[in-house]
Amino acid sequence: DAGVTQSPTHLIKTRGQHVTLRCSPISGHKSVSWYQQVLGQGPQFIFQYYEKEERGRGNFPDRFSARQFPNYSSELNVNALLLGDSALYLCASSIHGGEKLFFGSGTQLSVL
Amino acid sequence: SQKIEQNSEALNIQEGKTATLTCNYTNYSPAYLQWYRQDPGRGPVFLLLIRENEKEKRKERLKVTFDTTLKQSLFHITASQPADSATYLCALVLRATNKLIFGTGTLLAVQP
Repeated sequence: DAGVTQSPTHLIKTRGQHVTLRCSPISGHKSVSWYQQVLGQGPQFIFQYYEKEERGRGNFPDRFSARQFPNYSSELNVNALLLGDSALYLCASSIHGGEKLFFGSGTQLSVL
Repeated sequence: SQKIEQNSEALNIQEGKTATLTCNYTNYSPAYLQWYRQDPGRGPVFLLLIRENEKEKRKERLKVTFDTTLKQSLFHITASQPADSATYLCALVLRATNKLIFGTGTLLAVQP
């Protein structure tokens, strides 16, 4: 069975641009969460979606938005990119949310 | 303020010894706690989950303890191997929100 897949794996953008990151959860998983991980730090919670509804939001500005589609895949959008947005963006899926998470390998975003 | 603290310095041990990693938290009342392993450039991988009413959990060479009075979890790897070298993350699951809050992680290096 396929694990959590994220695309693209790497991305280079310039300040002010916007970016869309994509995530496909494990088949049967209805919850998707997004995390930002800066080098040397633990993942920071951005969003959680369950059955296409937002279930939680971390302390991130409104430039960050997400959605979940009927097939449970998800997109994370970041507008007006800043240098500080450079990080590894991780997507995780779970059956309901909160129990053990299955992470993808992430999208490494570099903002120049 | 709310904090999750893990050993900030890398832990170096000799192959065959027991590695003990610490996770301390303040101002949280987690429903349960999880431990993940993360290799460079990869997403975290779930290892163990322990609930607030459990004192200890084991899985093969891994053991986790959870003391809600001390607000501390200990993670043990017995008979450590070089392949156990990785960053280990603890994560609290908050009540009602199902949000996972990660610590900063501890880098474990097992020397042959």
